[in-house]
Amino acid sequence: QKEVEQDPGPLSVPEGAIVSLNCTYSNSAFQYFMWYRQYSRKGPELLMYTYSSGNKEDGRFTAQVDKSSKYISLFIRDSQPSDSATYLCAMIIPGYSTLTFGKGTMLLVSP
Amino acid sequence: EADIYQTPRYLVIGTGKKITLECSQTMGHDKMYWYQQDPGMELHLIHYSYGVNSTEKGDLSSESTVSRIRTEHFPLTLESARPSHTSQYLCASRGQPAEAFFGQGTRLTVV
Repeated sequence: QKEVEQDPGPLSVPEGAIVSLNCTYSNSAFQYFMWYRQYSRKGPELLMYTYSSGNKEDGRFTAQVDKSSKYISLFIRDSQPSDSATYLCAMIIPGYSTLTFGKGTMLLVSP
Repeated sequence: EADIYQTPRYLVIGTGKKITLECSQTMGHDKMYWYQQDPGMELHLIHYSYGVNSTEKGDLSSESTVSRIRTEHFPLTLESARPSHTSQYLCASRGQPAEAFFGQGTRLTVV
């Protein structure tokens, strides 16, 4: 079992839908959680960064962390075709230098 | 917006040539990373650095080498390029405590 599991998709939704993207992890030592958006042939762009359990909102994006279930989510409200990309979750153990990434979920938002 | 830059963005080069991919950041981050990513595939860590004069190999075996003589600069070198090195190379840097930012990547093609 990999440390971080993420469904590769693709996840196809119509424009305006609420999207839920998820990652599960096995190591309870992970304390920092990030979501990245990656367009084809581009570098990943940091969307959200959270530390504690709970919700963090930024515009149409909400990141949710449930450490008791080892489960993190990214919600996108009012999805747009421009949101079509691959979304990667990433996690860090405090004191460790490296990040652990999920494999990414491809999202397709159709007009 | 993250201040991390990679050059060149695209490179087509012949087999056997020596190449250096450049990565610079102006955020003063100690930790820097090189990832390799094939189209539609996950990120693979090939090198990272804790700070000046410290470098480590990542999870993916790579024939490349890196150096970290200055905080802001983390170049990656291939002494003799081969077609198997064709891929996208992504540089990242990480601040405190955990936010990591990526450059736009270098797409390398070895012919």
